[in-house]
Amino acid sequence: AQSVTQLGSHVSVSEGALVLLRCNYSSSVPPYLFWYVQYPNQGLQLLLKYTSAATLVKGINGFEAEFKKSETSFHLTKPSAHMSDAAEYFCAVSDGGTASKLTFGTGTRLQVTL
Amino acid sequence: DTGVSQNPRHKITKRGQNVTFRCDPISEHNRLYWYRQTLGQGPEFLTYFQNEAQLEKSRLLSDRFSAERPKGSFSTLEIQRTEQGDSAMYLCASSSLGQGANWATEAFFGQGTRLTVV
Repeated sequence: AQSVTQLGSHVSVSEGALVLLRCNYSSSVPPYLFWYVQYPNQGLQLLLKYTSAATLVKGINGFEAEFKKSETSFHLTKPSAHMSDAAEYFCAVSDGGTASKLTFGTGTRLQVTL
Repeated sequence: DTGVSQNPRHKITKRGQNVTFRCDPISEHNRLYWYRQTLGQGPEFLTYFQNEAQLEKSRLLSDRFSAERPKGSFSTLEIQRTEQGDSAMYLCASSSLGQGANWATEAFFGQGTRLTVV
């Protein structure tokens, strides 16, 4: 079985500060990892995905994530937070099986303050 | 807009009633997924279709839940004899079938149907 753990259900940063959202995974097979963002009353939008190519993955809106096998981590970062980044962020893992279904973490709510 | 469309966006129903939700995926996508998201949690997988075939169902999908995808196009999710514990956001997603190294094609999510059982 696969799982992801997101450390910190709420993260608050000042506008312009570094954003760091943590995700650790557990998988018995090489994982495929994703970060999604959800704005209030909206569906999920893919920020980026890791599928065993480059370990540093760049996504939309200036976000990036680094896959570290030794630490079983896939943390999401952005150098400079913007007010529009305030949302819920979900890390997800897939085993690459035929279903390609996603197992999500519990989410981290990012608050950006002036 | 050619994204994933879900209807209705909101549904309030009395306990014991039946409800049905509809999902229209992106037209060229052959995979369709249903997830359920409760407050403060991430989405949980319910079931998925490849074309018209329902290939996997989660243990979360009790006998009161049934999903269909006739002709491999839109999908419906029906909940019979609703219970208060069914209150959640029901999300639909679709994706194309990737090939080779690009198997992990992006799943596009709809805006969800929020169900409230009173």
